Amino acid sequence: QVQLQESGPGLVKPSQTLSLTCTVSGVSISSGIYHWSWVRQPAGKGLEWIGRISTSGSTNYNPSLRSRITVSVDTSKNQFSLNLSSVTAADTAVYYCATEGSEAYWGQGILVTVSS
Amino acid sequence: QTVVTQEPSLTVSPGETVTLTCASSTGAVTSGYYPNWFQQKPGQVPRRLIYSTSNKHSWTPARFSGSLLGGKAALTLSGVQPEDEAEYYCLLFYSGVRVFGGGTKLTVL
Repeated sequence: QVQLQESGPGLVKPSQTLSLTCTVSGVSISSGIYHWSWVRQPAGKGLEWIGRISTSGSTNYNPSLRSRITVSVDTSKNQFSLNLSSVTAADTAVYYCATEGSEAYWGQGILVTVSS
Repeated sequence: QTVVTQEPSLTVSPGETVTLTCASSTGAVTSGYYPNWFQQKPGQVPRRLIYSTSNKHSWTPARFSGSLLGGKAALTLSGVQPEDEAEYYCLLFYSGVRVFGGGTKLTVL
């Protein structure tokens, strides 16, 4: 069974970089079956697609966040990661990692608060 | 900036049929946008119900169906149940970029 688990700091200071990791189990991240995505949701608001990466390392990003985002894959650890730079309070949200493909698996989400 | 628009809220009675729609600011939604539909209940992780316009998962109740309707993607619930009360989000594919709609809050009264 495919499972995804987000990890990282729950509190980030303004102007710093938010770094999250998604650990994948039940499938090899290099299998090519899925693309690997990040989605976020501010409290009480809707879902926002952040970006995705393929096994080959090709990436696609939300245009409104593109200048601040990096998504990468570590096949040796079966993980993929999100870096979001120059964060502000507006980046406070629950961050989800998810698969994209014929099956859509989501992590449980991790709340990241941007505050000094 | 591409905008995907959904009805902010809908209210329906149990047993009725309701259709939620998903429109794109770029024009008519076609199968090439691979419409996805997600259901999210309070405090829960979103769960995908429909992908590629009309494909269901094994866990998708039969009363849910996806289609294209009048230039929009549509999610129809036939015979709404109280447990269908939730937020519903569509997701459209724009080449490599994906965009979520703002969500429809479905209330079952």
